[in-house]
Amino acid sequence: EAAVTQSPRNKVAVTGGKVTLSCNQTNNHNNMYWYRQDTGHGLRLIHYSYGAGSTEKGDIPDGYKASRPSQENFSLILELATPSQTSVYFCASGDAGGGPYAEQFFGPGTRLTVL
Amino acid sequence: AQSVTQPDARVTVSEGASLQLRCKYSYSGTPYLFWYVQYPRQGLQLLLKYYSGDPVVQGVNGFEAEFIKSNSSFHLRKASVHWSDSAVYFCAVSAGNSNNRIFFGDGTQLVVKP
Repeated sequence: EAAVTQSPRNKVAVTGGKVTLSCNQTNNHNNMYWYRQDTGHGLRLIHYSYGAGSTEKGDIPDGYKASRPSQENFSLILELATPSQTSVYFCASGDAGGGPYAEQFFGPGTRLTVL
Repeated sequence: AQSVTQPDARVTVSEGASLQLRCKYSYSGTPYLFWYVQYPRQGLQLLLKYYSGDPVVQGVNGFEAEFIKSNSSFHLRKASVHWSDSAVYFCAVSAGNSNNRIFFGDGTQLVVKP
């Protein structure tokens, strides 16, 4: 069965520290996405990727970098974490061949707290 | 650009009652529409999706949604809810020019009272 996994599941970081959130998918999907979820804002897209080596900015990219070293892996990097980045982060994958009708498959989320 | 409005942040219903969760989208062309569900401490899962054909589309677990183009709506319905349906429901829209992006509403939290 298709699967998207995220690590760590929970993370506590200090302000100014570097945080890396990792995502792995076994769906063999070209497209991968990073969202954050905050109360009252639903899901907001941070970065996405069309395949290995590509990253694109989403709606709220400031303060975040992304890396797609392989088809399976997509990382979100917070170089200088701030308390405003405390949130739940979701990774998702999608089949590029499905076009705009393609379902996205989500990981279980990472709860990040920046103190 | 596409957008979605879910006007109800929280809906409470009794077990066995019928349910409608409202969704309105904004897009001038033909939209691709989705409903996702998020159970506590989990990621989102697809309930159903619609692009064309019969405007009433069936999903998993007895859910269905109706596309009404004249009203730009895609409301989710269920005839009889169960306590296990308690979750957050997201309406979403995509389009041919959206680079495979999906735009999500803010979600509606459904609470089913026993």
